[in-house]
Amino acid sequence: EVQLVESGGGSVQPGRSLRLSCAASGFTFDDYAMHWVRQAPGKGLEWVSGINWNSDYIGYADSVKGRFTISRDNAKNSLYLYMNSLRPEDTALYYCAKGGGSSLASYNWFDPWGQGTLVTVSS
Amino acid sequence: SYELTQPPSVSVSPGQTASITCSGDKLGDKYACWYQQKPGQSPVLVIYQNNRRPSGIPERFSGSNSGNTATLTISGTQTMDEADYYCQAWDSSTVVFGGGTKLTVL
Repeated sequence: EVQLVESGGGSVQPGRSLRLSCAASGFTFDDYAMHWVRQAPGKGLEWVSGINWNSDYIGYADSVKGRFTISRDNAKNSLYLYMNSLRPEDTALYYCAKGGGSSLASYNWFDPWGQGTLVTVSS
Repeated sequence: SYELTQPPSVSVSPGQTASITCSGDKLGDKYACWYQQKPGQSPVLVIYQNNRRPSGIPERFSGSNSGNTATLTISGTQTMDEADYYCQAWDSSTVVFGGGTKLTVL
């Protein structure tokens, strides 16, 4: 069974940093692209970032570009999101999701999703 | 930036057909996916590549995509289908989600 377990969320002050992790199991991790998607309280889904199977191709939403960094460690079956210069508008539940293939391709999808880790940015 | 527009809400009676639309400029030239999210749960993929159904998703879920509109159709809607539904597509190497549609079955 495919499992994605996020961790690292918490409450931080604006301007501070946080690192999220996603532990994957039940599939060959380095065969798939991976993504972070967030959902602000009571709001819709927003894609944050994606990374292809070997980290050669990475994409970011404009809202986080220059502040967030995605990475992966295929030896540890883990995905990470380094979040710097956090803002109140970054407050959200952050989901890790497995891509439908190895690349960041337009025909791909997200399946499955983890349970999410909550990030709260407030003074 | 690219936008996907969904109606905020759709209502349907049990056993009837529900249609949820997703509109975007030349969306039919892209691949559309659909996700179901029930309260307190993570999203679940119900349709990918316009009209393909993942294993485990009931046959009553179907999708289409043409012109500027993708449509998720739920035939014989059941009360368990009540949820938020999000469409998703790629544009210029980034991912776009629609704003979501709350499906009410009553």
